[in-house]
Amino acid sequence: SAVISQKPSRDICQRGTSLTIQCQVDSQVTMMFWYRQQPGQSLTLIATANQGSEATYESGFVIDKFPISRPNLTFSTLTVSNMSPEDSSIYLCSVGGLAGAISTDTQYFGPGTRLTVL
Amino acid sequence: GEDVEQSLFLSVREGDSSVINCTYTDSSSTYLYWYKQEPGAGLQLLTYIFSNMDMKQDQRLTVLLNKKDKHLSLRIADTQTGDSAIYFCAESSANAGGTSYGKLTFGQGTILTVHP
Repeated sequence: SAVISQKPSRDICQRGTSLTIQCQVDSQVTMMFWYRQQPGQSLTLIATANQGSEATYESGFVIDKFPISRPNLTFSTLTVSNMSPEDSSIYLCSVGGLAGAISTDTQYFGPGTRLTVL
Repeated sequence: GEDVEQSLFLSVREGDSSVINCTYTDSSSTYLYWYKQEPGAGLQLLTYIFSNMDMKQDQRLTVLLNKKDKHLSLRIADTQTGDSAIYFCAESSANAGGTSYGKLTFGQGTILTVHP
């Protein structure tokens, strides 16, 4: 596995503002993903963060709302833009393609960022 | 598209066995996973099973796979209060060529409550 950290661990924000969440891994990984987990719900994939190119977004998620950066193989950021209370969720990053992992599918998760929008 | 279904709640007494069930639809899944989420935490990879296996045992955990019925279960023996958490099953998603491109589809999660 790998050590995955996220910053901040939690935040309370005002509507209309933006928050950038950072995800750092202690080893190089092929794939990085961003998920949203709304209260009491399962995980929904927002996008795949691609190193050196634009992220690949899932249906229902757009770059203007959730810009993503991935400048190298160990770091990615997700920005939640122009927030509303409906964006209150846990945001999780995960990594895949780790050397020595079970398979290329296997994903390991960060601790999550708990966001509350007032 | 892929769909993964789980029962939402399970309550057991400490020391009993817990069985969490999951059904999935993607017959081309190569690996199926179980993740555990404790309150306020991220997801911890608990165990997995390769699609050509029927059973996998790992200490107190037993994973059973019925590929014909697309049914997966996780059995926790001698359940402890520390096992109280949300358990997610997840399947890998293969592309049209049959090779995986790294995506997982998650079930809704089963909330396991263990009573003393």
